[in-house]
Amino acid sequence: AQSVTQLDSQVPVFEEAPVELRCNYSSSVSVYLFWYVQYPNQGLQLLLKYLSGSTLVKGINGFEAEFNKSQTSFHLRKPSVHISDTAEYFCAVTASGGSYIPTFGRGTSLIVHP
Amino acid sequence: NAGVTQTPKFQVLKTGQSMTLQCAQDMNHNSMYWYRQDPGMGLRLIYYSASEGTTDKGEVPNGYNVSRLNKREFSLRLESAAPSQTSVYFCASSKLAGVHEQYFGPGTRLTVT
Repeated sequence: AQSVTQLDSQVPVFEEAPVELRCNYSSSVSVYLFWYVQYPNQGLQLLLKYLSGSTLVKGINGFEAEFNKSQTSFHLRKPSVHISDTAEYFCAVTASGGSYIPTFGRGTSLIVHP
Repeated sequence: NAGVTQTPKFQVLKTGQSMTLQCAQDMNHNSMYWYRQDPGMGLRLIYYSASEGTTDKGEVPNGYNVSRLNKREFSLRLESAAPSQTSVYFCASSKLAGVHEQYFGPGTRLTVT
């Protein structure tokens, strides 16, 4: 079975600063990886996903993530954050060959200060 | 396209009451899911339906039942609500389980007193 660890429950940052939200996973088989964002009082929406190919994945709103198989990580980055990026971010992993049901991390709350 | 819709948006129940949460999607997706979200716990899967006509238990199925009414609709029923079921419930759908991303509804905020 797969598992996901989001290493930081909360990340405070100032506007226009860079940010990295960390995600590590464990799985004995190939994986598909996702990052979702949840704005206050809304459902989740997809930021980006990694299925195969290039390990650097670009998503919406200027976010990108890098798949590192040797470190079993899929960290999310943005070079310059805005106040509007304040939200909860979830990493999710699906293992190939199984039930294909994703496992979600516990979330990281990104708080952008002016 | 409305995407994934959920009703109701808010609900307050007394312990022991029953209710059904409704979910519908208009994207012709095969797979549908019910999650609950609690502070610090992330999303936990209650039940899912990989395709029309099938349902399976997730991580936290106790106290819940589901019905995949047709390809569009997937309902979640609480037969006898308990305070531990106070949560925000999200329905999601995907084209197929696995490589395809999930689309989420806006959620139902349920309080059981």
